[in-house]
Amino acid sequence: HSALTQPASVSGSLGQSITISCTGTSSDVGSYILVSWYQQHPGKAPKLIIYEGNKRPSGVSNRFSASKSANTASLTISGLQAEDEADYYCCSYAGTRTFVVFGGGTNLAVL
Amino acid sequence: EVQLVESGGGLVQPGGSLRLSCAVSGFAFSSYGMSWVRQAPGKGLEWVSSISDSGDRTYYADSVKGRLTISRDNSKNTLYLQMNGLRVEDTAVYYCAQGGGIYGSGSFQHWGQGTLVTVYS
Repeated sequence: HSALTQPASVSGSLGQSITISCTGTSSDVGSYILVSWYQQHPGKAPKLIIYEGNKRPSGVSNRFSASKSANTASLTISGLQAEDEADYYCCSYAGTRTFVVFGGGTNLAVL
Repeated sequence: EVQLVESGGGLVQPGGSLRLSCAVSGFAFSSYGMSWVRQAPGKGLEWVSSISDSGDRTYYADSVKGRLTISRDNSKNTLYLQMNGLRVEDTAVYYCAQGGGIYGSGSFQHWGQGTLVTVYS
């Protein structure tokens, strides 16, 4: 059981946009700006694509964007490309007791 | 170039011990909090532990508290994870990561390639 809830899978066609949701609670996503997103290709280490809720690290495509409303964070990928096919994980700071929680991950299929 | 290189993984029986290391280069190690994150085969990411830049504050997931110990040697630019009392459910790829929690803007900014720990009975 993961602390943050993500859909197990989403799919979209080349060029389309998709959104992945990440639902937490008032103890994590709802209380902190420290929400991040990671992309992981099979057999590879995760890669940071969004931090502090909606900021992109240098080198990450502006096709990736994120937002938050109440206890739910969302990742949007626009102009889907074949290389976007991967697993995506959300993550949130959860206070000094729990510290960090991850979502269960979402597999993105690009059709 | 930022590099994090884990080592020390392997096969161990339940109740056994392992010590993972993560050698870091390309950034000022002593200025960053660091973390361990694991991924069981075919499963999602699970945060394991984090440590402050000076090493005076540590944090653990409930699933590993009392069995795994995070530490660091800033003179050697190396992060450690001492794993005692290992269980079958600790089987996973263990990643070393820069940041995490309240560190690194709350994100894991750079990751190592991971080292596999297999606990078999």
